[in-house]
Amino acid sequence: EVQLLESGGGLVQPGGSLRLSCAASGFTFSTNDMAWVRQAPGRGLEWVSTITASGLNAYYADSLKGRFKVSRDNSKNTLYLQMDSLRAEDTAVYFCAKNLRASASDYWGQGTLVTVSS
Amino acid sequence: QSALTQPASVSGSPGQSITISCTGTSSDVGAYDYVSWYQQYPGKAPRLIIYEVSNRPSGVSNRFSGSKSGNTASLTISGLQAEDDADYHCSSYVNTIKRVFGTGTKVTVL
Repeated sequence: EVQLLESGGGLVQPGGSLRLSCAASGFTFSTNDMAWVRQAPGRGLEWVSTITASGLNAYYADSLKGRFKVSRDNSKNTLYLQMDSLRAEDTAVYFCAKNLRASASDYWGQGTLVTVSS
Repeated sequence: QSALTQPASVSGSPGQSITISCTGTSSDVGAYDYVSWYQQYPGKAPRLIIYEVSNRPSGVSNRFSGSKSGNTASLTISGLQAEDDADYHCSSYVNTIKRVFGTGTKVTVL
């Protein structure tokens, strides 16, 4: 059974940093592209980033302006999202997701809430 | 990259069919056959129900079907059931490996 378990969310002050983790199991992590998707309270989904299976290539939403960095450790079956210079508008539930080919995500974690507030 | 446009809400009675539209541009929906749809219950993770415009993952009811014409993709739910009361999100490939989601649609089963 595919399982994705996010952790690392919490309350952070504006300008602060946070690192999210996503522990994967039940599939061959090292052969699958992975994504981060977020959802602000009461809003729709927003694609954040995708990282290829090898970890060599990563892609980001233009709106992030270089503040986030995705990485993965295939030896630990874990996906990461380093978030710096956090803003109030980054407040959201952050989901990690396994990609089905390039264009869709077929398994999702339960999400971790990030709140940016003073 | 602007979000794809979906109606805020759609409603129908049990047994009816409803269609949710997802309008993008010639750079996303119109450019690729890589539209996907997700069902989401409040407080839960999204669930993939359609990928690559019209394909259903294993285990998804055949009451869900997808299509595309030009810059607009559509999700049709046939034989509406109470369990279909949820939020629905579309998504499209943009370029390289980037994606864009829709604004989301609340489906209410009357």
